[in-house]
Amino acid sequence: AQKVTQAQTEISVVEKEDVTLDCVYETRDTTYYLFWYKQPPSGELVFLIRRNSFDEQNEISGRYSWNFQKSTSSFNFTITASQVVDSAVYFCALWFTGNQFYFGTGTSLTVIP
Amino acid sequence: DAEITQSPRHKITETGRQVTLACHQTWNHNNMFWYRQDLGHGLRLIHYSYGVQDTNKGEVSDGYSVSRSNTEDLPLTLESAASSQTSVYFCASSESMADTQYFGPGTRLTVL
Repeated sequence: AQKVTQAQTEISVVEKEDVTLDCVYETRDTTYYLFWYKQPPSGELVFLIRRNSFDEQNEISGRYSWNFQKSTSSFNFTITASQVVDSAVYFCALWFTGNQFYFGTGTSLTVIP
Repeated sequence: DAEITQSPRHKITETGRQVTLACHQTWNHNNMFWYRQDLGHGLRLIHYSYGVQDTNKGEVSDGYSVSRSNTEDLPLTLESAASSQTSVYFCASSESMADTQYFGPGTRLTVL
């Protein structure tokens, strides 16, 4: 089976806390891409990051960081010093050579002021 | 600026009616996709197209159809709307197969 699992359905944190959103994927392909999208309360889907299977370097963009570990098939997303504006649903997605995107079911993050 | 638009943004229809949701992109992307978003399911792929005259079924294609007559548009048709098709529908496009997909603003469809 090829799929994406986001086991955390809902997370609540107090502002300024760090939070990690988990993403576990399954694929037999050696070439694949992983993505994170953000869906704020306004409803649009905002692209955050794309990572290919050959690049395991962690990435940091401001308060956002991503930890890609092929050994555990995980692509976790950490928000440092969370802010109220980070409140959203976050989706992890997988593209593999079958030419389809598979999205996880999303993690709803609430940052409490 | 290039963009992807969807219309209408909200639609209420009755069971059994045919409904068409429009998607238009000015990115000149070859690839276009339709998803539906339901609570607890995330986004599920309905249909996708890799170019003009190309269409493919996704995970949840029953009751839906698409056609691609030009690069810019991929309309989604519900042949005979059912209450189970009440959902938020998103259109997306990408430059190449593994590229980032850029999403439209979504269409909220209610079937009564």
